[in-house]
Amino acid sequence: DQQVKQNSPSLSVQEGRISILNCDYTNSMFDYFLWYKKYPAEGPTFLISISSIKDKNEDGRFTVFLNKSAKHLSLHIVPSQPGDSAVYFCFGAGANNLFFGTGTRLTVIP
Amino acid sequence: EPEVTQTPSHQVTQMGQEVILRCVPISNHLYFYWYRQILGQKVEFLVSFYNNEISEKSEIFDDQFSVERPDGSNFTLKIRSTKLEDSAMYFCASSEIEFGELFFGEGSRLTVL
Repeated sequence: DQQVKQNSPSLSVQEGRISILNCDYTNSMFDYFLWYKKYPAEGPTFLISISSIKDKNEDGRFTVFLNKSAKHLSLHIVPSQPGDSAVYFCFGAGANNLFFGTGTRLTVIP
Repeated sequence: EPEVTQTPSHQVTQMGQEVILRCVPISNHLYFYWYRQILGQKVEFLVSFYNNEISEKSEIFDDQFSVERPDGSNFTLKIRSTKLEDSAMYFCASSEIEFGELFFGEGSRLTVL
């Protein structure tokens, strides 16, 4: 059972525009959520997280929004840069476990 | 829906013992990965595997670690002599193409005493 879903396997965005990556989850017991990005041939690197008690967290060009009633979170990247091209994973974390989305490949076109 | 399965879900072992964590990736997938998460810390990449050989490994993946695909279906992670700091949740993942969707198992929790 996929408790965390990223329904868009890929996304292409023009440089300078906003990238919006979406993630849906089914488990209302998640304590926090994380976004990681993975460049080709590298392991994932942590990007940004949000606690389940918040609805927004911002770090530079990256903002994560959490809508608990809809069990939905999104990552906004503004402005998008070619170096942002990577696969982005959404994670939902509970007390003892971690559930992963399958990733969305973001391509930022110069 | 196909899924990645991992066994055991939880293993407790004594320091210095060998541990083998098993993963059954999705059947048509070709790329395999191990990650770990030490409690309270971030997910860390360990190793990637393709075409019966390691394609990439992190600094964590030292000589105490090895991976194997012994029979075409299982993908195993072996820790030769466990240390206390190896206690973590270990996640296996697989993908059909190199940069495609990555499907994760639910993890194997290793506790080293």
